[in-house]
Amino acid sequence: GQQVMQIPQYQHVQEGEDFTTYCNSSTTLSNIQWYKQRPGGHPVFLIQLVKSGEVKKQKRLTFQFGEAKKNSSLHITATQTTDVGTYFCAGSNFGNEKLTFGTGTRLTIIP
Amino acid sequence: GAGVSQSPSNKVTEKGKDVELRCDPISGHTALYWYRQRLGQGLEFLIYFQGNSAPDKSGLPSDRFSAERTGESVSTLTIQRTQQEDSAVYLCASSPTGILYNEQFFGPGTRLTVL
Repeated sequence: GQQVMQIPQYQHVQEGEDFTTYCNSSTTLSNIQWYKQRPGGHPVFLIQLVKSGEVKKQKRLTFQFGEAKKNSSLHITATQTTDVGTYFCAGSNFGNEKLTFGTGTRLTIIP
Repeated sequence: GAGVSQSPSNKVTEKGKDVELRCDPISGHTALYWYRQRLGQGLEFLIYFQGNSAPDKSGLPSDRFSAERTGESVSTLTIQRTQQEDSAVYLCASSPTGILYNEQFFGPGTRLTVL
């Protein structure tokens, strides 16, 4: 079955440093989504990417979808304490709406 | 509008007892998912309902786990003869139909503790 892996599993950064998490799928995806889960909370949708090579930005967050549509990345510039949480990617295969979630990257910020 | 709701928010039970967890999805959402999340871990897919299609039960960890959904509304996840390893947060999510419109809206979860 489809597998979606994320690296790193954990990341500790100083406040103000950049952060990147990478998402890799075993199969070609029709779309990739990113979610953020704050400590003690539930996952919340951030963004969806559909096109090969697509890049989208949300303030300090930059999302990329690979050319082969099998990988994606989330980059946060100049992290803030509000960025703390676990970031999950999730992808769908063509013809199947079911989302498969990645393993997640937990980000902690050192003030 | 109302989001996804789950009840109870917390459930403490004794080993061997049965529990029922409830999920009320967003009205009109055809897809409904159940996930299990152990402390500090990722989302473990359990089951997926899509409209009137047969559910995808491929994630259910054992035959002690079952789930039902009435049409496109409420879903219940039942765990029989609970074990301590079942302790986790059980998350429900719903999404609208359409391959490119399948953003998932999560409920607050039910925290299950099996003593």
